Amino acid sequence: EAQVTQNPRYLITVTGKKLTVTCSQNMNHEYMSWYRQDPGLGLRQIYYSMNVEVTDKGDVPEGYKVSRKEKRNFPLILESPSPNQTSLYFCASSLDRMVDEQFFGPGTRLTVL
Amino acid sequence: AQSVTQLDSHVSVSEGTPVLLRCNYSSSYSPSLFWYVQHPNKGLQLLLKYTSAATLVKGINGFEAEFKKSETSFHLTKPSAHMSDAAEYFCVVSDFTGGGNKLTFGTGTQLKVEL
Repeated sequence: EAQVTQNPRYLITVTGKKLTVTCSQNMNHEYMSWYRQDPGLGLRQIYYSMNVEVTDKGDVPEGYKVSRKEKRNFPLILESPSPNQTSLYFCASSLDRMVDEQFFGPGTRLTVL
Repeated sequence: AQSVTQLDSHVSVSEGTPVLLRCNYSSSYSPSLFWYVQHPNKGLQLLLKYTSAATLVKGINGFEAEFKKSETSFHLTKPSAHMSDAAEYFCVVSDFTGGGNKLTFGTGTQLKVEL
């Protein structure tokens, strides 16, 4: 089944404890991105990647890191999480350019205490 | 810079009546426009997209949207609402800026369908 998977789905952590949210797609998509969803703000793009080893900042990159060492994986790293990073995170992928349909993962709900 | 405005944060309709979710956009170039739907505790799913072909776009589940350049609008409609349409809907604009792609989401419209 074609899908985007994220792990974990739910995570509660404390300020400053490094964490990684994994994202994997099995559709051979070139383009992948991370979003955060906050009430009243819609989805805001954190980082995106046009291809392996090519990443770029979205609208809200501060406090986040990403890497794209393999085409299928695009992990989101929070080196020192803070409470303002409590949010619902979505990974998405598309065939190549952004005009293609984005396929979204199920989301990761992160709480930073 | 591009932007998207969803004019209503909440819309409530009765089952069987028409649905209208409004979206206005601004863009420096010729944008691509999308509507996505998010059911509770789920990821987003594409409803329909406009990419400079026909201005009236038909999507899944009976939804359609019309691109009106003169009004910079891309409103989502459905002739008859069903209970299963209750969800949050996002209007999205995709544009090429500074040599790269940029995707901007609206803040969402929560659709409630009542019996």
